[in-house]
Amino acid sequence: QKEVEQNSGPLSVPEGAIASLNCTYSDRGSQSFFWYRQYSGKSPELIMFIYSNGDKEDGRFTAQLNKASQYVSLLIRDSQPSDSATYLCAVNMANAGGTSYGKLTFGQGTILTVHP
Amino acid sequence: DAGVTQSPTHLIKTRGQHVTLRCSPISGHKSVSWYQQVLGQGPQFIFQYYEKEERGRGNFPDRFSARQFPNYSSELNVNALLLGDSALYLCASSLGQILEAFFGQGTRLTVV
Repeated sequence: QKEVEQNSGPLSVPEGAIASLNCTYSDRGSQSFFWYRQYSGKSPELIMFIYSNGDKEDGRFTAQLNKASQYVSLLIRDSQPSDSATYLCAVNMANAGGTSYGKLTFGQGTILTVHP
Repeated sequence: DAGVTQSPTHLIKTRGQHVTLRCSPISGHKSVSWYQQVLGQGPQFIFQYYEKEERGRGNFPDRFSARQFPNYSSELNVNALLLGDSALYLCASSLGQILEAFFGQGTRLTVV
């Protein structure tokens, strides 16, 4: 089982629709969760982070975290063609000693295509 | 404010050579992490340095080493390059050891 799993897609949605991206993780001790957007040939760009169960909204983006079910999701409302990119889920997991440091474990990313 | 800066942006090396990649974190950030990203995969953690000490190491061979300088900039060194080391090398900086990490533009390394 991969530590962080994402559906590689591609996920295709029409312009103006809601895009829903999902991520599951294996370590129950994980403490913080991040969504990055990566355009082709570019580096990852941080768009959302969440630490507590529930929803966190920032503009058109909403991150949802459910620690009991070990999943985190990202909703993009009113999707635009400029949102077309790979979306990476990253998790900060506890190490073997039960403490946490700055290592981020990434999923393989979901390719999102928003078509006009 | 300047973001995370990495140099060089592109590099071509021959098998067996060594390479040094450089990273300057966002001003005020004390943590620098290095990641390797091959095409079609998410970034893989190599090292984290915080307050000039190594705080974490990923599953990479001893050919990979790094250090952090008093001004919090960092170098990643890779010895005895292999074809499989061809990848995008990313540096990320954060305020503290665990907080949000911001990536530089990356160094594209090609080993021929």
